[in-house]
Amino acid sequence: EVHLLESGGGLVQPGGSLRLSCAASGFTFSSYVMSWVRQAPGKGLEWVSSISGSGSHTYYADSVQGRFTISRDDSKNTLYLQMNSLRVEDTAVYYCAKAPAAMTTFDYWGQGTLVTVSS
Amino acid sequence: QSALTQPRSVSGSPGQSVNISCTGTSSDVGAYNFVSWYQHHPGKAPKLMIYDVTKRPSGVPDRFSGSKSGNTASLTISGLQTEDEAHYYCCSYAGSNTWVFGGGTKLTVL
Repeated sequence: EVHLLESGGGLVQPGGSLRLSCAASGFTFSSYVMSWVRQAPGKGLEWVSSISGSGSHTYYADSVQGRFTISRDDSKNTLYLQMNSLRVEDTAVYYCAKAPAAMTTFDYWGQGTLVTVSS
Repeated sequence: QSALTQPRSVSGSPGQSVNISCTGTSSDVGAYNFVSWYQHHPGKAPKLMIYDVTKRPSGVPDRFSGSKSGNTASLTISGLQTEDEAHYYCCSYAGSNTWVFGGGTKLTVL
């Protein structure tokens, strides 16, 4: 059974940094594209970033480009999101999500971790 | 990337059918047959209900179906059940390895 567990959320001041982790189990982690998707309070879902199975290709939404870095450690079956220069508008629940082999959707999601950016 | 447009809320009685629309542009929904729908109960992990416009993952009841016409995709839920009450989000591939989601629709089963 696929299981994704996010951690690392919390309260941070504007301009601060935070690193999120997503521990994966139940599938061959290294073979699949992984992504981060967020949901601000009262808002819809927003795709944030994706990383290829090899880790060699990364993709970002314009809203986080240059501030966030996605990475993975396949030896630990863990996905990361390094968030720098955080803004109030980055406040959201952050979900990690797995793509299937065809990479045309997000087939499994975690329950999310809350990031609050506030002074 | 602008979010896809969904109605904020829809409702129906048990046994009825409801339709949730998702309107994008010729650069996302209209350009690719990679539209997905997710069911989300607050505090839980979103669940994939439909992918590639019309396909159902294993375990999703056939009461859930998807379609697309031009820049608008739709999710139809027939034979509504109380457990279907949730938020539903559409998502489309938008090219260049980017994705765009809808604002979400709250389904109330009266």
